[in-house]
Amino acid sequence: LAKTTQPISMDSYEGQEVNITCSHNNIATNDYITWYQQFPSQGPRFIIQGYKTKVTNEVASLFIPADRKSSTLSLPRVSLSDTAVYYCLVGGAYSGAGSYQLTFGKGTKLSVIP
Amino acid sequence: DTGVSQNPRHKITKRGQNVTFRCDPISEHNRLYWYRQTLGQGPEFLTYFQNEAQLEKSRLLSDRFSAERPKGSFSTLEIQRTEQGDSAMYLCASSSPRDPNEKLFFGSGTQLSVL
Repeated sequence: LAKTTQPISMDSYEGQEVNITCSHNNIATNDYITWYQQFPSQGPRFIIQGYKTKVTNEVASLFIPADRKSSTLSLPRVSLSDTAVYYCLVGGAYSGAGSYQLTFGKGTKLSVIP
Repeated sequence: DTGVSQNPRHKITKRGQNVTFRCDPISEHNRLYWYRQTLGQGPEFLTYFQNEAQLEKSRLLSDRFSAERPKGSFSTLEIQRTEQGDSAMYLCASSSPRDPNEKLFFGSGTQLSVL
């Protein structure tokens, strides 16, 4: 499984764009990149997933360079409610018994300041 | 679709007691996962089911832990002879058979405190 590295924490003011970068140097050809958001006392929530280039949804954008060794989650105009832990996961399609586990790191704790 | 449901939300028990948690996944999801999360850490994978078959078990899942999914719908996680180190949030997630990239949908978890 590709190991991921993210900043432990980030601070941002309300209304700013926040970019969280995840490094995954050993990403495999079939691996997708998925980001989750977690609030205290809740389970993680899927935000966005991508394979290459750029993906955008109503919540965030995900930028993936050509070499796919890193990815950047972009949150536009953050609000206080975006204060949470953000996890980057790298993994591929399940291909059979005993071959696949989804592994979370420690994530990035984003604090949005008024 | 009411999401993944976990019960109870909180459980306080004394060391040495047995506890059982229940997870009801999203109805059409055939894949079900159990994770454990301690304060300040990311979720750690425990085990995985596809339908009723338990296909993956982490080495974190000691002999005191057992998980079942008897009819391929809900799942239970039992911890026997609980220890203080078992105190954690136990998270259940499910994913759709139509999604090869396994986007996980998590429940709100069961917070276990072992006294």
